[in-house]
Amino acid sequence: AQRVTQPEKLLSVFKGAPVELKCNYSYSGSPELFWYVQYSRQRLQLLLRHISRESIKGFTADLNKGETSFHLKKPFAQEEDSAMYYCALSTQGGSEKLVFGKGTKLTVNP
Amino acid sequence: DAGVIQSPRHEVTEMGQEVTLRCKLISGHNSLFWYRQTMMRGLELLIYFNNNVPIDDSGMPEDRFSAKMPNASFSTLKIQPSEPRDSAVYFCASSLGGSRNIQYFGAGTRLSVL
Repeated sequence: AQRVTQPEKLLSVFKGAPVELKCNYSYSGSPELFWYVQYSRQRLQLLLRHISRESIKGFTADLNKGETSFHLKKPFAQEEDSAMYYCALSTQGGSEKLVFGKGTKLTVNP
Repeated sequence: DAGVIQSPRHEVTEMGQEVTLRCKLISGHNSLFWYRQTMMRGLELLIYFNNNVPIDDSGMPEDRFSAKMPNASFSTLKIQPSEPRDSAVYFCASSLGGSRNIQYFGAGTRLSVL
């Protein structure tokens, strides 16, 4: 069965510090991976997906199949990055449903 | 487009009552997902539809929960009878379909069952 693990429920950093939100997955095939973000009082929205290999709002994430990880990174955190972050997995070529991790609440302090 | 629209935004009801949550998809989308979010379990998929057909309902907790898509743009999630443990935020999301496509979420319905 597919599973997504986000080991940190809470993460707190200071403005300007690097931040890394961890995500590990369990899936025997070739996964599609996503990061979704929920800012305060806003709806859940896509931040980035691994197939796009893009940087959004300064965030990047690299799929490491050897370590089955898809960690989200940003070199210099900003206060507006404070939000709930969810890592999600879908199975390429298979079901389109997403399996979400339990989320990490990031707080960036001034 | 106003995005995925959910109603009501908040619902407070008493145990045993029927609750109906509503969702309007983004025009042109053909996949619809219902999720439940709780502190303990995070975001869980309850059921999803493709072209109005239920594809996977393995996440539906029990027979008290039912979901329908009476047409291509609208869905309901019904809980009958409701119980306090059903208290959660319920989200629906729509997409163009396919494992690579982005899901667009509604603002959610916060349900409190007293």
